[in-house]
Amino acid sequence: GQNIDQPTEMTATEGAIVQINCTYQTSGFNGLFWYQQHAGEAPTFLSYNVLDGLEEKGRFSSFLSRSKGYSYLLLKELQMKDSASYLCAASDSNYQLIWGAGTKLIIKP
Amino acid sequence: TAGITQAPTSQILAAGRSMTLRCTQDMRHNAMYWYRQDLGLGLRLIHYSNTAGTTGKGEVPDGYSVSRANTDDFPLTLASAVPSQTSVYFCASSDTTSGGQFFGPGTRLTVL
Repeated sequence: GQNIDQPTEMTATEGAIVQINCTYQTSGFNGLFWYQQHAGEAPTFLSYNVLDGLEEKGRFSSFLSRSKGYSYLLLKELQMKDSASYLCAASDSNYQLIWGAGTKLIIKP
Repeated sequence: TAGITQAPTSQILAAGRSMTLRCTQDMRHNAMYWYRQDLGLGLRLIHYSNTAGTTGKGEVPDGYSVSRANTDDFPLTLASAVPSQTSVYFCASSDTTSGGQFFGPGTRLTVL
């Protein structure tokens, strides 16, 4: 079957670095997406990886290892506004997104 | 640019009643999607459309129907609502089936 696993909740301190992990199993693979979702709002696109390696975009970076079925989202210089849920989604052979349940990130001062 | 709009923002519906959730995008995206999001379960795909005139079933299609008469609109209909359809519904679109999806603001539906 198809499955995405990510931690339910993480806590980090303002100004610190946090890494949110995601493992996936899909029928075929056409890329890995990360989205941010603030409470009561819609998900917004953060990053897309289809090749192995690290993609850096400002304070956020995303890493992919296709052979391990593994990705992580790295958030640096955490700000209070980064408190949100982070959704991992893998694109399968039909280009449908298989979604994880999301990781709720709590930032403490 | 409005992006994707959904209506209504929220609705309380009596069980057994029908309802159509509206979704309109102005980005000329080919692909559109309907998801429901329930606490602890993440986003689940209800129906999708890769291009105007075609639709497909997602993970949880039972009790829902869609149509795609044109590029911009993708309404979701509940023929006879049941309490288990209480959820937040998100419409999304992408310019290709492999592209990132852009989400509407959501409709919060409560079925009593």
